[in-house]
Order: sequence, then structure tokens, then C-alpha cells
Amino acid sequence: QSVLTQPPSASGTPGQRVTISCSGSSSNIGSNDVSWYQQLPGTAPKLLIYSNDQRPSGVPDRFSGSKSGTSASLAISGLQSEDEADYYCAAWDDSLNGRVFGGGTKLTVL
Amino acid sequence: QVQLVQSGAEVKKPGASVKVSCKASGYTFTSYNINWVRQATGQGLEWMGWMNPNSGNTGYAQKFQGRVTMTRNTSISTAYMELSSLRSEDTAVYYCARSLYCSGGACYSMGYWGQGTLVTVSS
Repeated sequence: QSVLTQPPSASGTPGQRVTISCSGSSSNIGSNDVSWYQQLPGTAPKLLIYSNDQRPSGVPDRFSGSKSGTSASLAISGLQSEDEADYYCAAWDDSLNGRVFGGGTKLTVL
Repeated sequence: QVQLVQSGAEVKKPGASVKVSCKASGYTFTSYNINWVRQATGQGLEWMGWMNPNSGNTGYAQKFQGRVTMTRNTSISTAYMELSSLRSEDTAVYYCARSLYCSGGACYSMGYWGQGTLVTVSS
């Protein structure tokens, strides 16, 4: 059981916009920044979003993040086949004094 | 460019210890925290802890307290993660990951990742 809650799966067709949610509590998302990671099959995770809505250099602007209260969302617009991957949210948890991840969302491009 | 290169796959027996290395290059090793994250086959990401390579200070996830030790050798820009009393449930890919940036004494996100090290625990 992950501290942060994500839907196990999401899907969309090429060109569509999809969103992935991440629900937490006041001790994690409610008081700390959220990061999002993309993990393609058989590879190491890659940072997509940091500080709730910032993109590292090289990440396309099709990817965007937002946070409100104790929830966060990752949006992917103009969906492409290469976006098919697992996506994880993460945040620091003040009660656990450690970083916590969501359980991951498997995105399928139909 | 920033690179983190990890040691090779390991096979260990239950009760043994494993030490995974993570060699950094392309930046000042002591300027950014190193985190360790593991992933069992078909499962999600699990954060194990962090280390400040400059001070040697560490912070471990409660689940691993007493079983994990994170160290470094600054002369060769290498971080280490040692996990003891291994059990079958510790079979996983172990990743090191460097903080993206540090500010005001704190470091944020995991912006650069090693390639992963498979640790298999089997009798």
C-alpha cells in the first residue's frame, strides 16, 4: 500500500490529452513539492516534473504538472506512442521523514 | 555530462550482505545528495534513503533502518549502499539517483539515475 495514491492504469489515443492523478495528505503533498517520473520498459526512471510544475531541460512541454491541496496531477497532451510507460509521483513526507512514491500508473497508448 | 555508473549484478544467499557502488562523473560529487531507490520485478519504486557526499550525513527510510548503510569515497566520487540480512523479498533492481539541485541546505528531486543493479537473493 503506497502512501501516495495513483490509478493503476490510464489510456488514450494518439493526439489525446490524458491526466494522471496523485493523492496524498497534509504531511506529504500538502506541505512539500511533488515530482513526477517516467519509466519506459526496462529502463531507469527519468525525471519529468519537479517542484510541482517545473520541467527539466529536454522534457517536452507536452508534459505539465500541477498541485492543489493534497493532490497533484500530471497531464500529457498530444499523446504519442513513445509516451507508453509507467509514471510515478513522489514527495517528501514530514511524518515519515522520508521520500514516498505513488504506486505507479501504467499508461497505454491505444 | 552527469553520469552515474553502478556495479554489476549480484547473487546472494539469504542472511548475507550486498554492497552496491555508484560512480559519479561530470559534476562535483560532493555538491549533490545521492538517493537509493529499489524496484522489485513488476513492482513500483521504493525509496531507501539519502546521503550527503560532502558531510557523510544520511537519512534512511524507516523500513530499512538497521539494515542499510550508505557511505562514500570522495577520492573516487563513488557512493555505496550496503544492505544486510538479505531475504528473498530484497530481490530487486537497486538504483542510485542524484538530486536535481540543492538550495538553502536542502536537495530536491532525483534528476539523474544510474542504470540499476539487479540483486538476487536465493538459496
